[in-house]
Amino acid sequence: SQQGEEDPQALSIQEGENATMNCSYKTSINNLQWYRQNSGRGLVHLILIRSNEREKHSGRLRVTLDTSKKSSSLLITASRAADTASYFCATDAAGGTSYGKLTFGQGTILTVHP
Amino acid sequence: DTGVSQDPRHKITKRGQNVTFRCDPISEHNRLYWYRQTLGQGPEFLTYFQNEAQLEKSRLLSDRFSAERPKGSFSTLEIQRTEQGDSAMYLCASSLDTNEKLFFGSGTQLSVL
Repeated sequence: SQQGEEDPQALSIQEGENATMNCSYKTSINNLQWYRQNSGRGLVHLILIRSNEREKHSGRLRVTLDTSKKSSSLLITASRAADTASYFCATDAAGGTSYGKLTFGQGTILTVHP
Repeated sequence: DTGVSQDPRHKITKRGQNVTFRCDPISEHNRLYWYRQTLGQGPEFLTYFQNEAQLEKSRLLSDRFSAERPKGSFSTLEIQRTEQGDSAMYLCASSLDTNEKLFFGSGTQLSVL
């Protein structure tokens, strides 16, 4: 079953604008990860944030995590047409022996217009 | 690092037939995962291998599904007596047990007619 919800389901912006995607989840986590998927392809890992972290940056990406609200956001700054893809959050549930089993959200489809 | 390789990329089969997919993980990765993704949804976990041992299977994996990872290298996923509801993208991923980041293959798109 899906861990949680992503919002919005679809986002359409112009090149150069920022894109923000939100993810909510249901259970306690060890970490939360964001992945990108181009149409018909596999997923590519973007960034990982651990449960004891609140914010993380990687290039044009910024991820925040609020464990009290069980939510995360992904910000892509200065978007490019090449950023057009589906973006998924994925959680590694806390408890037991963690082996990297991830539970994915339903994804946000981002379209960046040139 | 040649990435995770999956074969075939596409498979069209008739209902009731058996199909087998192959996944070659990144060579030094000891963890291997199978996920299934349907249109408009995120991937759903099917099963996990640590080396050659299959340590967890999802309830999604009915008895028509079987996965193996002989010698802890490549893995195969077999679906017997396919049903139309099996139509999906089957994704393989691998990782090191010291790193939670998953590396995904491009997937096998299965269409059951």
